[in-house]
Amino acid sequence: ETGVTQSPTHLIKTRGQQVTLRCSSQSGHNTVSWYQQALGQGPQFIFQYYREEENGRGNFPPRFSGLQFPNYSSELNVNALELDDSALYLCASSAWTTEAFFGQGTRLTVV
Amino acid sequence: SQQGEEDPQALSIQEGENATMNCSYKTSINNLQWYRQNSGRGLVHLILIRSNEREKHSGRLRVTLDTSKKSSSLLITASRAADTASYFCATDQGDSWGKFQFGAGTQVVVTP
Repeated sequence: ETGVTQSPTHLIKTRGQQVTLRCSSQSGHNTVSWYQQALGQGPQFIFQYYREEENGRGNFPPRFSGLQFPNYSSELNVNALELDDSALYLCASSAWTTEAFFGQGTRLTVV
Repeated sequence: SQQGEEDPQALSIQEGENATMNCSYKTSINNLQWYRQNSGRGLVHLILIRSNEREKHSGRLRVTLDTSKKSSSLLITASRAADTASYFCATDQGDSWGKFQFGAGTQVVVTP
C-alpha cells in the first residue's frame, strides 16, 4: 500500500465527453504528477503540480488540465475526449526529491 | 523521445534463477528509480538511486548506476513466480524532479 489512491478505477466515456480523474496523495507529499500509459508502452508525463501550482507539462494538448488542492490531492480533467485518450492514467505523489509513489491507476476507455 | 530504454524487452526465466535488465538514458540525470508493474496496474516503487551513488541493495534487488555510460542495471536474485511483471526505469533531469521519462519496460516471466 502506497497511500496514493485514485478514483475511479475504471471508466467508460463517449468520444467528445469530458472526464475528471482524482488522486489523493500520500500524507506529507506536496507534489503530484500525472502520467498516461497506453497499452504496451511506458508511462508518458502529462504534468506536475507542486504546492498547488503547475510545475511543468509534457507534450499534451491544453484539453488536458489539472488542479491541486490545499490538501495536495489532485484532479486531471480531459475535455473533448478522443479515442486515443483510452489509456491507464497514473498519478504519483512525492515530497520534493524523495521517492515517487504511484496509485493503482484509472483505466479510461473512450468509445 | 524516450529517455530511458530498457533492455531486453522480454525475459523468461525459471524460479530460482537471477534476472538482469538494463536501462540506458541519453542525458545527465539527478536520479533513477526502478518500478514494477503487474498486469497493467499501478507502478510499485522498487529502488531510487541518486546520481552520486553507484550501487544499492534492497532485499533480493541490486541496482547499479554508471553515469559515465549513462546506464543502470537491475538484478533480481533467486527469482520467484511472483516476480513476473514489467519493470521500468524512470529518470529525471535538471530541475525536473518527478517529471519522469520511462522506457517501454522489460517484461519478465518467471516460470515455476
